[in-house]
Amino acid sequence: SQTIHQWPATLVQPVGSPLSLECTVEGTSNPNLYWYRQAAGRGLQLLFYSVGIGQISSEVPQNLSASRPQDRQFILSSKKLLLSDSGFYLCAWSVEPAGGYNEQFFGPGTRLTVL
Amino acid sequence: GQNIDQPTEMTATEGAIVQINCTYQTSGFNGLFWYQQHAGEAPTFLSYNVLDGLEEKGRFSSFLSRSKGYSYLLLKELQMKDSASYLCAALDSNYQLIWGAGTKLIIKP
Repeated sequence: SQTIHQWPATLVQPVGSPLSLECTVEGTSNPNLYWYRQAAGRGLQLLFYSVGIGQISSEVPQNLSASRPQDRQFILSSKKLLLSDSGFYLCAWSVEPAGGYNEQFFGPGTRLTVL
Repeated sequence: GQNIDQPTEMTATEGAIVQINCTYQTSGFNGLFWYQQHAGEAPTFLSYNVLDGLEEKGRFSSFLSRSKGYSYLLLKELQMKDSASYLCAALDSNYQLIWGAGTKLIIKP
């Protein structure tokens, strides 16, 4: 069965510090991978998605970046965090089934607080 | 632009029925998802509709009208554990999910 891991679960960082969040998927090959951010009481904002190794699409201009060094590894980074980067970061995966829709499965999330 | 609208918050009584509405405007349409998200947790998949009509899964049902750009999630025999946010998301022509802000459902005894 497929599982998705995210770490850390919670993180408190000062403004201006760097960030690295990691997501790994097990039990599937060549998944589509996604990074979302959810502010308190808000919906999901798609930050990045990737359809393959080294292929990253950015949805929102910001001070964050993403990388996919391996098929099932997706990393979210920042060189200098802003207060507005606080939120709940979710990694998700999907595959392209013959049926034509890509249900997304979410990791447990990382709650980031920037002080 | 692309937009998903759903109520911010709803309150219902344990054992009752509640309907959560969602309207969408997207560039193309390839289906509509409903997810459940308990506070502090990740969303979990509830349903997917791509054809008009009602899909029933136990206590939960989801309805879609493509011509009206409208969907609803129907929850029957409400239980306290159903207290959560319910997220509506539409799949656009590029197979990207456009998410609503979610409806917080509060269940009272």
